[in-house]
Amino acid sequence: GPKVLQIPSHQIIDMGQMVTLNCDPVSNHLYFYWYKQILGQQMEFLVNFYNGKVMEKSKLFKDQFSVERPDGSYFTLKIQPTALEDSAVYFCASSLGDKNTLYFGAGTRLSVL
Amino acid sequence: GQQVKQSSPSLTVQEGGISILNCDYENDMFDYFAWYKKYPDNSPTLLISVRSNVDKREDGRLTVFLNKSGKHFSLHITASQPEDTAVYLCAAGARNNNAPRFGAGTKLSVKP
Repeated sequence: GPKVLQIPSHQIIDMGQMVTLNCDPVSNHLYFYWYKQILGQQMEFLVNFYNGKVMEKSKLFKDQFSVERPDGSYFTLKIQPTALEDSAVYFCASSLGDKNTLYFGAGTRLSVL
Repeated sequence: GQQVKQSSPSLTVQEGGISILNCDYENDMFDYFAWYKKYPDNSPTLLISVRSNVDKREDGRLTVFLNKSGKHFSLHITASQPEDTAVYLCAAGARNNNAPRFGAGTKLSVKP
């Protein structure tokens, strides 16, 4: 089936540094999402993105977070600067339409030290 | 707050029995409801979804029941099999480009 790839699978950085999480969505999909899952907790919605714009974001999507998909390449989540509470698994997803199936990547585990 | 809740973190069912997974939601605007299945170390994958204009949808051994007045939906798996063992995530979303919100998951174990 369609695949969403997330690179890298695990990233370790020092608090205060910048990090960019990369997502290669399904090629013809138009909607892109980031979710955050802290260890032992449920997966929480961060942001969704369509047509070059943020359509919706949650309270977890702090000012230090940004997303973009320049020229149809990777859909990225940038955190600058990182904080300890940003440690989590970040799942990327994409869908063809806004109420279609979400296809998830395997997640990137971010460890902020 | 948590807009979608799965109150049972785990469920054990005997092979051949019916597995019933439950989900409650808070947002009246939700009009899309789905169940995803997740194996350990894998991504969630969609099992079945419904829109709010129906109360029930069947697909093979799977049936989703939607109770809009009670803000509740459930997944019934008949003739449960050991390979149904996984974490089941419910999800709900609203109109106007709202992304689905997910429950915490229920770990289903089907015993031979």
